[in-house]
Amino acid sequence: EAQVTQNPRYLITVTGKKLTVTCSQNMNHEYMSWYRQDPGLGLRQIYYSMNVEVTDKGDVPEGYKVSRKEKRNFPLILESPSPNQTSLYFCASSRQAGAAPNEQYFGPGTRLTVT
Amino acid sequence: ELKVEQNPLFLSMQEGKNYTIYCNYSTTSDRLYWYRQDPGKSLESLFVLLSNGAVKQEGRLMASLDTKARLSTLHITAAVHDLSATYFCAVDMSRNSGGYQKVTFGIGTKLQVIP
Repeated sequence: EAQVTQNPRYLITVTGKKLTVTCSQNMNHEYMSWYRQDPGLGLRQIYYSMNVEVTDKGDVPEGYKVSRKEKRNFPLILESPSPNQTSLYFCASSRQAGAAPNEQYFGPGTRLTVT
Repeated sequence: ELKVEQNPLFLSMQEGKNYTIYCNYSTTSDRLYWYRQDPGKSLESLFVLLSNGAVKQEGRLMASLDTKARLSTLHITAAVHDLSATYFCAVDMSRNSGGYQKVTFGIGTKLQVIP
């Protein structure tokens, strides 16, 4: 089954304790992206990657890191989480057909609480 | 900075009625997406609109794009309860060849269809 998976689905952590949220897709998509969803703010893009070893900042990259060493994986790293990073996080992927974009496929989400 | 505005943000309508959700964006783009999110779930792609005048229909939903007016509409015909969800439009900021990059989402329109 074609899908985007995220782990963990739920995480409660404390301020300053480094964490990684994994994201993997099995559709051979070039494009991957991370979003956070907060009430009243919709989805905001954190980082995106056009392909392996190619990443760039979205609208809210502060406090996050990403890496794209393999095409299928795009982990989100919080080096020193703070309470304002409490949010619902979505990973998404899309194929890239030339210059024509395609719809993104979203993972199930990771609900992160930082105390 | 690209801004994407949806209205209304909340919509309560009776079954059988028609209504339209509007999505305005602030800078030139000819790539617009509509997504649906059920409560507690992830996002699902509904439509991809890639050119001025594009119109797509699926069941009771029809989406259109007017790039000159920087406006997309999502029209609901004869609403049914199953359409209750939050609907997001999203616009990409691609300016380079080879695919899109930053994606900006609207805040979302929460639709409630009352039997």
